[in-house]
Amino acid sequence: GQNIDQPTEMTATEGAIVQINCTYQTSGFNGLFWYQQHAGEAPTFLSYNVLDGLEEKGRFSSFLSRSKGYSYLLLKELQMKDSASYLCAVLDSNYQLIWGAGTKLIIKP
Amino acid sequence: SQTIHQWPATLVQPVGSPLSLECTVEGTSNPNLYWYRQAAGRGLQLLFYSVGIGQISSEVPQNLSASRPQDRQFILSSKKLLLSDSGFYLCAWSVLAGDTGELFFGEGSRLTVL
Repeated sequence: GQNIDQPTEMTATEGAIVQINCTYQTSGFNGLFWYQQHAGEAPTFLSYNVLDGLEEKGRFSSFLSRSKGYSYLLLKELQMKDSASYLCAVLDSNYQLIWGAGTKLIIKP
Repeated sequence: SQTIHQWPATLVQPVGSPLSLECTVEGTSNPNLYWYRQAAGRGLQLLFYSVGIGQISSEVPQNLSASRPQDRQFILSSKKLLLSDSGFYLCAWSVLAGDTGELFFGEGSRLTVL
């Protein structure tokens, strides 16, 4: 079966750095997404990786290793507004998105 | 620019009552349209997707149905709601499933079935 694993919850301190991991087993691979979802709101797009390596976008970076079935989202200089759930999703061989359950990130002052 | 809007934002319905959630997209033509459900602590579950008017694919068996009467309109319905239908429903659109596949979500509709 297809599976996306990510930690349920993480806590970090304002100003610090946090890394949210995502491992996947899917039938084929056509890219991996990270979305941010604030409580009670819709997810918003953060990043897309289809090739191995690190993609940097401001305070957020996303890394992909296709051979390991692994990705992480790196958040730097954490701000209180970064408190949210972070969803990992993989586009499989049928171009269907397989979603992880999300990682709830709690930022403490 | 493209926008997506879904309504109502919140609704409380008794078991056995009907449901209609509506979603419209502006600023793009022939989008792929999706209905997702998100239960607490679980990943997004794809319910229906549509690649064109009148073309609906269902991903899971359930008492829900979807319709696409117009290019940029997607409706989620039920004739008789169950308790298990409670959840956060999200409409989304994308341009091409095979491109980046980025999804743009509506604001969400929180349904509570009592």
